[in-house]
Amino acid sequence: AQSVTQPDIHITVSEGASLELRCNYSYGATPYLFWYVQSPGQGLQLLLKYFSGDTLVQGIKGFEAEFKRSQSSFNLRKPSVHWSDAAEYFCAVGKAAGNKLTFGGGTRVLVKP
Amino acid sequence: NAGVMQNPRHLVRRRGQEARLRCSPMKGHSHVYWYRQLPEEGLKFMVYLQKENIIDESGMPKERFSAEFPKEGPSILRIQQVVRGDSAAYFCASSPPSRGGDEQFFGPGTRLTVL
Repeated sequence: AQSVTQPDIHITVSEGASLELRCNYSYGATPYLFWYVQSPGQGLQLLLKYFSGDTLVQGIKGFEAEFKRSQSSFNLRKPSVHWSDAAEYFCAVGKAAGNKLTFGGGTRVLVKP
Repeated sequence: NAGVMQNPRHLVRRRGQEARLRCSPMKGHSHVYWYRQLPEEGLKFMVYLQKENIIDESGMPKERFSAEFPKEGPSILRIQQVVRGDSAAYFCASSPPSRGGDEQFFGPGTRLTVL
């Protein structure tokens, strides 16, 4: 069965500093990988996705993620965070198109001024 | 193009009552998914539907929960005889007819509180 682990429950970062959120997945074949962001009381917004091809994926809001098959990881990065990036971030894996997503437990990001 | 719509946004029920949660997918989307988010946890898959068909209900509790996506109208998640443990945020997502790994677009969720 597929699974997703986000080792960091909370991360606090200063505004303007870089951010990296870790995601490890377990799946037998090449997965479909996603990062979503959830603001308090809101639904989820897709930041980026990886299906195949270039392992460095660019997303919205200045985020990027790198797929590393050897490490079963799909870490999310942003070079310089803004106060508006404070939210909860979820990594998810799917098997194929039109298939259910398995989510990690989420990482809550706090941004210090 | 309106996004995924869910109503109500907040729902309060007493133990033993029924809860009905509605989801209208994005225009042109024929796939609907329901997920549940318990407090301080990630989202857990419940059920995947296409029009008039349940494709995958492997995440649905065996009792009291049911889902439908009729030919006309929204998808409905129904919880009978609610218990306190059903208190959670329920999210609906939709995706277009499959072209290979399409993203799921999420609604704002329905927050169910069982008293």
